[in-house]
Amino acid sequence: QSALTQPASVSGSPGQSITISCTGTSSDVGAYNFVSWYQQHPGKVPKVIIYDVTNRPSGVSNRFSGSKSGNTASLTISGLQTEDEADYYCCSHTSSGAYWVFGGGTRLTVL
Amino acid sequence: EVQLVQSGAEVKKPGESLKITCKGSGYIFTSYWIAWVRQMPGKGLEWMGVIYPGDSHIRYSPPFEGQVTLSVDKSTKTAYLQWSSLKASDTGMYYCARHDASGSYHSPNLDFWGQGTLVTVSS
Repeated sequence: QSALTQPASVSGSPGQSITISCTGTSSDVGAYNFVSWYQQHPGKVPKVIIYDVTNRPSGVSNRFSGSKSGNTASLTISGLQTEDEADYYCCSHTSSGAYWVFGGGTRLTVL
Repeated sequence: EVQLVQSGAEVKKPGESLKITCKGSGYIFTSYWIAWVRQMPGKGLEWMGVIYPGDSHIRYSPPFEGQVTLSVDKSTKTAYLQWSSLKASDTGMYYCARHDASGSYHSPNLDFWGQGTLVTVSS
């Protein structure tokens, strides 16, 4: 059982926007602005696309954005493209002992 | 160019030992933590632990403490993940990744990843 809860799957059509949620607790997502999001295409290495809730690394498309409200962090992808089809994982710092915890992952399908 | 290059795939039997490697280049190896992440077949990412090459300080994720050993050799810029007695449940892909702590030590910002080492444990 993952410490952070993500929907198993989301889908959208090209050009649309989607949001993936990442729900934690007051010991992790709610307590710190230390949430990262990773994109992993099938058979490929994960890639950080958002860190510290809202920051985008250099080279990451501005179609990706992050936010947080209470114990839930969110990743929004606007102007969906077929190449966005991948698995997405959130990760947060936690004071509960594990230090960092990942979400279970969300499979994005672009229809 | 920052690179983390991991050792090749391994096939082992239960009870055997194993040490896989992650060699860093293109940056100051001793200034960045190295994290290890497991991905079991068809499953999600799991953080295993981090090691700071500067002083070999280690933090383990509780499920992995006592199950694996992290270490580092500064002279060769290589991080290691080691098992003393493998189980079938250790089968998976193992990634090393550089932790960018320039913002905060607590931020799980893993900015460069190795290509992964596939470990298969089967009798």
